[in-house]
Order: sequence, then structure tokens, then C-alpha cells
Amino acid sequence: SAVISQKPSRDICQRGTSLTIQCQVDSQVTMMFWYRQQPGQSLTLIATANQGSEATYESGFVIDKFPISRPNLTFSTLTVSNMSPEDSSIYLCSGIGLAGRTDTQYFGPGTRLTVL
Amino acid sequence: EDQVTQSPEALRLQEGESSSLNCSYTVSGLRGLFWYRQDPGKGPEFLFTLYSAGEEKEKERLKATLTKKESFLHITAPKPEDSATYLCAVHRAGGTSYGKLTFGQGTILTVHP
Repeated sequence: SAVISQKPSRDICQRGTSLTIQCQVDSQVTMMFWYRQQPGQSLTLIATANQGSEATYESGFVIDKFPISRPNLTFSTLTVSNMSPEDSSIYLCSGIGLAGRTDTQYFGPGTRLTVL
Repeated sequence: EDQVTQSPEALRLQEGESSSLNCSYTVSGLRGLFWYRQDPGKGPEFLFTLYSAGEEKEKERLKATLTKKESFLHITAPKPEDSATYLCAVHRAGGTSYGKLTFGQGTILTVHP
């Protein structure tokens, strides 16, 4: 299976600050996504990371809060801005289209964020 | 709006005691139904994709089946290492929905030795 890595794996941040999470895929993907998993909850899609253009956000998520970049086919970043304790979650990136499997979506290990 | 409901929320089994997990879904055109395994503190690990009613896929002690309204994940003779949260997700057909998964809440499986 494809390898997707994320940095950092975890962080503890103060409210009002911002954190940028990096996602690297070991081969080209068709599409990349960012998900959030709040404590005890399942995964919720934040946005689609589009290469070289603005990300496409799902209802309830906005660019000012979660700016996303994708400068090339294998790398993306998600920034969680002006954090509050409610942002404490696991943030996961995913890729689809790896190794020619057009419909299989693989996930990274996640970044566990705690906001104090 | 797509909906995915998994049951039970939690399942405790004795080693060797076979059982099934359920995933009921509502989606306007199914492109695929995914099953993932998630261990604590880790990202979801891909297990299966099912595309059409009647399809079955197997991997070791796991077998996934699909009907038009639900999917089952059958676990045969489970071992303690099968303990994890099992997630079901639907992938809606349609260009603008490509790659966007809607997840259920998951079933927490615990297998006791």
C-alpha cells in the first residue's frame, strides 16, 4: 500500500496560535484530502486540496480558519489558524489514485492536536 | 445528504467467536463502499472497497459483503489482534463528489483471549 506521512505526529498548542501540518505522499496521487476526527467521533471531510489552486471546502469549514496549500502532486499543508480548545482533534490527510487504484483512498497516520 | 450508520457501537467477543458488523447507508448513487480498520492513535487502514450489490471480498478472517442498503463485515474466529475500530464509508457517484467519503461512527471491536 502507498505511504502517506504527516508532520508533526502530535502537538500541544496555546489558544490563539496557528499550526501547520504537512502531508507527504510517496507517489503521485490524483487527489488529496484533509479530514478531522474529533475525540470519540468519526472522520469529517474538511476540504479537497487542489494542486496549484485554492482548496475546495466542505460546509462548515472556511479558508480563513483552515488554509490549505498543495504546491505539487505529492505534498500538501493544512494550517489550523487562531486555535481554540474546540480545534483539539486528529487531523488526517488522504490520497486517492495511488498506484493506479483510482478508487482506493489511503490515509496518513494523523496529527493529534491539543489546544490549551 | 449521505448517511452511514454502523452497529453495534461496540462489540466484545471471545477469541474464536465469529460475528458480524453492520453498516447501513443512504446515498444518491453509490460509487463504492469502503471498510477501514483504525487502531488507537493511528490513521485508518484500508481493508476493502465494494462496488455493487452482491459483491464479496475476503482478507484473512474478514469478509465484507454488500447489498443495496447495507454492508456487513463478517469476522470469522477472531483473535485479540483483530481488536480495533472498524469504519465504514460511502463514496458517492458523481464528478464533484469524487474522492469525498462519508464515514459512519465506527464499531469498536474487542476480542478477549
